[in-house]
Amino acid sequence: GAVVSQHPSRVICKSGTSVKIECRSLDFQATTMFWYRQFPKQSLMLMATSNEGSKATYEQGVEKDKFLINHASLTLSTLTVTSAHPEDSSFYICSARIKKDRDYGYTFGSGTRLTVV
Amino acid sequence: LAKTTQPISMDSYEGQEVNITCSHNNIATNDYITWYQQFPSQGPRFIIQGYKTKVTNEVASLFIPADRKSSTLSLPRVSLSDTAVYYCLVGVAFMNRDDKIIFGKGTRLHILP
Repeated sequence: GAVVSQHPSRVICKSGTSVKIECRSLDFQATTMFWYRQFPKQSLMLMATSNEGSKATYEQGVEKDKFLINHASLTLSTLTVTSAHPEDSSFYICSARIKKDRDYGYTFGSGTRLTVV
Repeated sequence: LAKTTQPISMDSYEGQEVNITCSHNNIATNDYITWYQQFPSQGPRFIIQGYKTKVTNEVASLFIPADRKSSTLSLPRVSLSDTAVYYCLVGVAFMNRDDKIIFGKGTRLHILP
């Protein structure tokens, strides 16, 4: 089936550094990807919509200069957390819409656990 | 997107049938109902989707009454591995637009031995 591969699965970084998270669609083209963050015991919160070849659309309250999204190809979207702080520690998940021979809906990456120390 | 209301948590025992009901009073004519499952430290996984009446797949059944203001996810003979959070989502899914998915709080299902 259609798979979205997300890397890394876990990352620990020092406060003030930047971290890049990659999301790849393995056997389909994803013109649109979505980025979520999830705190413990809470639901997924949509951060932004990533569009191939254009600027991402951010949800209200999400700092676009802090969470840089790049969607340079039809199979890769990246989320960079810049100048990370401990409060950015969270579980980040990407999602893509699967359109192949028919519409399969949405699939999600396995998530990235970010810990900022 | 229609707002959904689900129980925050549920407990059940292995081998039992579990029914999780979701209320979506403001569902629109074009809206589909979709359920996702999420295990700890993993991304959500699609379970089932329906528009009306009943849908069944190898994992679950989805019951939707005629007024479509609610839906019930039915998991037959649950096992410990069904312990997860279940999300009910209502929106225009599987259409020719890239609609973003907004998650509600979900139902935390805990299966006991």
